[in-house]
Amino acid sequence: DTGVSQDPRHKITKRGQNVTFRCDPISEHNRLYWYRQTLGQGPEFLTYFQNEAQLEKSRLLSDRFSAERPKGSFSTLEIQRTEQGDSAMYLCASIHGLAGVVDTQYFGPGTRLTVL
Amino acid sequence: GEDVEQSLFLSVREGDSSVINCTYTDSSSTYLYWYKQEPGAGLQLLTYIFSNMDMKQDQRLTVLLNKKDKHLSLRIADTQTGDSAIYFCAETPFEGGYNKLIFGAGTRLAVHP
Repeated sequence: DTGVSQDPRHKITKRGQNVTFRCDPISEHNRLYWYRQTLGQGPEFLTYFQNEAQLEKSRLLSDRFSAERPKGSFSTLEIQRTEQGDSAMYLCASIHGLAGVVDTQYFGPGTRLTVL
Repeated sequence: GEDVEQSLFLSVREGDSSVINCTYTDSSSTYLYWYKQEPGAGLQLLTYIFSNMDMKQDQRLTVLLNKKDKHLSLRIADTQTGDSAIYFCAETPFEGGYNKLIFGAGTRLAVHP
């Protein structure tokens, strides 16, 4: 399978716990994006990486959220001290990202987080 | 500001055409996209249109773009039950380097016999 993969697909946690999600982009894709989708809404941009550099963070990304892409391949998104409002689907997407070229984003299946 | 608006629900009879409408705000958006999301699944890219085009056809799908009014539509010909899903329109404003997607809330398409 050469698509974007995410792990886990579902996560149920208690309020106050920390959770970490992983995204494996399509091989050789330089740019990786994280989005959050709540029920009845479209995905909202959280952050993106160009290789290992985190280039933009949305104001939605509070200080409880941290994302990394240490070797420019897979990425992790950690949420500390989870709150019920963090319950959502977390989507990862990747594109090749050649400079000056507009490309289409390919999305993974998402990680559904439920905070009790 | 960035805002993409879509009607929330559309119901059509199987075999009819469906038209899903979208308005966007950022005139700098170079590409405009349509994504499909089925229950429990991720987003599937359906089609996209470059901002200097008025129309793009891809099999049963026709995308119309009115750049002056910032209006985008997706027409699905001969709609089938398998087309039942949520359809998202998305723009790519210059501020995001043309690659950050700004989505609408989605239009839920229900196809009935």
